[in-house]
Amino acid sequence: NAGVTQTPKFQVLKTGQSMTLQCAQDMNHEYMSWYRQDPGMGLRLIHYSVGAGITDQGEVPNGYNVSRSTTEDFPLRLLSAAPSQTSVYFCASSDLGGRGAFFGQGTRLTVV
Amino acid sequence: AQSVTQLGSHVSVSEGALVLLRCNYSSSVPPYLFWYVQYPNQGLQLLLKYTSAATLVKGINGFEAEFKKSETSFHLTKPSAHMSDAAEYFCAVNNQGGKLIFGQGTELSVKP
Repeated sequence: NAGVTQTPKFQVLKTGQSMTLQCAQDMNHEYMSWYRQDPGMGLRLIHYSVGAGITDQGEVPNGYNVSRSTTEDFPLRLLSAAPSQTSVYFCASSDLGGRGAFFGQGTRLTVV
Repeated sequence: AQSVTQLGSHVSVSEGALVLLRCNYSSSVPPYLFWYVQYPNQGLQLLLKYTSAATLVKGINGFEAEFKKSETSFHLTKPSAHMSDAAEYFCAVNNQGGKLIFGQGTELSVKP
């Protein structure tokens, strides 16, 4: 019973490098989202998707890209990492009925 | 626009004492409301949810919350704190499919 799987768990990047954070869910949920968590700021929505081929921006989308080619996968791309993107990133999935989201274990990213 | 305010970024209680974590929301339509718990270095776990049924909602680990429309509140309580309750707690609101808006979080410490 995997739920939401995120990889990697930890990553260190140099400024300007690119990388992709992977997220997969096996619950056939329509809705998937990416959040970043920073001390004292709660979780802020980066991008979300309501189904394959449909994505939209959240509260803090700058510097991040997403795509949704399948229901299961929702990768987050950092095109040119900056120190301000040092954070813990969480992927979540849910159905569209508003019954609550399931979260992955998080990716701790450090940009030096 | 929806928003969530959690009063108190840090709450400290003694073991066996009442736990009260405060959450107020704003929403233009009847909301779905959630409490999540995050243990150190882990993802978020759903504690309980209000989805317009009973106003007193019981969750896991002995927690409960009461939806009070007149006060736009959804405070989380537990009659007797246990050491294992030490964690960060997030209140969230949802009224647009799977999109969750989080409060800033409250860190709960439990003293022996």
